Amino acid sequence: EAGVAQSPRYKIIEKRQSVAFWCNPISGHATLYWYQQILGQGPKLLIQFQNNGVVDDSQLPKDRFSAERLKGVDSTLKIQPAKLEDSAVYLCASSATGSNQPQHFGDGTRLSIL
Amino acid sequence: GENVEQHPSTLSVQEGDSAVIKCTYSDSASNYFPWYKQELGKGPQLIIDIRSNVGEKKDQRIAVTLNKTAKHFSLHITETQPEDSAVYFCAARRPGGTSYGKLTFGQGTILTVHP
Repeated sequence: EAGVAQSPRYKIIEKRQSVAFWCNPISGHATLYWYQQILGQGPKLLIQFQNNGVVDDSQLPKDRFSAERLKGVDSTLKIQPAKLEDSAVYLCASSATGSNQPQHFGDGTRLSIL
Repeated sequence: GENVEQHPSTLSVQEGDSAVIKCTYSDSASNYFPWYKQELGKGPQLIIDIRSNVGEKKDQRIAVTLNKTAKHFSLHITETQPEDSAVYFCAARRPGGTSYGKLTFGQGTILTVHP
């Protein structure tokens, strides 16, 4: 089965610019997650979708970050305006419906803010 | 919320030796504990997981143990090989509520296996 697809793999922007990341989950996976992984740390959940509804966005900096999952499949994560501290790898993961289903991660987008 | 502590932060072993990584968690309601391996430039890959109704699980050279009373779990890798070199993350997840499905990760352990 195809894994979680993310694009772009790398992005370099200047602070105060905007950027968007795209994720295509594993086919049939209803739950989709966006994580932020700062260098040297474990991933931190930003937002979780169940189909096209938000389940948890408590750690999403809503003044600059937004995410959507139209039609319950693909998802986009946007940052506007970017700050230096947003430099990180943004990981998308998906899981099937059901208790304790494993999360499968994509290879992420590495974002560098100049 | 949940807090997961992982030790050691770096671990260096000789090929063929065993490696052990330990994690503690704070939320006694957590009931699912996966371990991920992350290679450079790649996303985390699930290598083994354990649920709270099980004390130990093994898959070839990898095993995980869970002590619910002490709220800690460990990853054991036997007969290490150079290709085991990577960053390993533990995680914990609590059931239900608004944080359903949310994984809280440890800080990671950089494992280096010397040939």
